[in-house]
This record gives sequence, C-alpha cells and structure tokens, in this order.
Amino acid sequence: QMQLQESGPGLVKPSETLSLICSVSGDSISSYYWNWIRQPPGKGLEWIGYVSHSGHTNYNPSLKSRVAISLDTSKNQFSLSLTSVTAADTAVYYCARYKDGLDYWGQGSPVTVSS
Amino acid sequence: SYVLTQPPSLSVAPGETARIPCGASNIETKSVHWCQQKPGQAPMLVIHYDSGRPSGIPERFSGSSSGNTATLTISRVEAGDEADYYCHVWDSSGDHPVFGGGTRLTVL
Repeated sequence: QMQLQESGPGLVKPSETLSLICSVSGDSISSYYWNWIRQPPGKGLEWIGYVSHSGHTNYNPSLKSRVAISLDTSKNQFSLSLTSVTAADTAVYYCARYKDGLDYWGQGSPVTVSS
Repeated sequence: SYVLTQPPSLSVAPGETARIPCGASNIETKSVHWCQQKPGQAPMLVIHYDSGRPSGIPERFSGSSSGNTATLTISRVEAGDEADYYCHVWDSSGDHPVFGGGTRLTVL
C-alpha cells in the first residue's frame, strides 16, 4: 500500500523559507506526477506545483516566483521550498500523487508563519 | 485557467440521496475526480474518471458527467458521509490539476 508522509518545521518566521519533504513508500517515485497542495485554515484546496518523474516542474502562477519543487529518486522523496513567507502562507501542506486523479495523499503538515 | 464551480453547502437527511454538482464549460470532455475530506483529515479520492470507484469505496458513491456538469451522488446518506467534497480535473492548457471550491455536505 502506497504511503506519503510530509515532514518539516511547523513554525516559520516571516520572510524566511518554508521547506518540506514528502517521503514515499510502497511505490517508486520514478513515475507519475508528485504534487504539493495547501489548505489555509477554513478554506479550500490550493495547488502549489508538481514535479514529474522526469524532473519536469510546473508551478501555480501566483506562487511561481517563490516556489521550487525537486525530486530525489535515490531517497524516494520530493521536496518543497517556498521563500519569503508571510502570514498568508499559513496552511496545512499536503503532498499527493497524481495518477488516476489525486489518488494518494499525505496526512498533511501544518505550517504557521509567525515571529 | 479552467474554473470548476461547486455550491458551498448542501444538506440532506439520513437515508436520502445527495447530489453534488461540479460545473464547468464542456466538463464532459474531461475526466473528473472527486475527493472527500472529513474534518481534521487529509482528502481521500472517492471517484475517479467521472464514475469509477477506487478500491474500498462503498457502492453508495457514484459519479456521472454530462454537458457542463459533473455530479457526485451519494445514496442512502449516513452521518459518516458528513464532509467537504472537492471535484478536480487536469487542466490540459495549464498542465496542472484544478480544484472546485468544495461543497460541505451536512447530514441533518
């Protein structure tokens, strides 16, 4: 059974960089699309970006200048970096696989931006 | 960018049928997927490719798509079905997934 697990700090200071890792078990990361999605408190789902099995990336235009997503096939992980964070970046961050729809999700990693 | 429209909320009584719409231009030409998100939990896929059920999803959950509307149908609604439901598609022009705004299903 495939599992995804996010890890990273739960508190980030304004203007600093948010970094999260998604560890994948039960299948290889060398296929499909690997996504980061976030959900601000009380709001809906927002797609952040993806990295494909080949390393191709695509980002939400509203975040593109601050986002980087990368793949580490040796560790079966992919990561998110979001720079210059503000309170508006406070959210639960999910990693998810896109194959037959967004078919597998991590449990979510809550991140608060505060000094 | 492709826009998916869902009603913010829907209420049904236990045992009744819930029909949650997801509207967009010519949505029938796309594959629509549905996720369920219970309070405090991660989303979970309940319908893929318009009407397919992933392994473990009860037969009470079904989906359809025609014209400009895709619909998630939950038959014989139970208290445990109370959740937020999100439709999503792959936007081929932007080359990324797109979400609807979500519908909160309340079981009366």
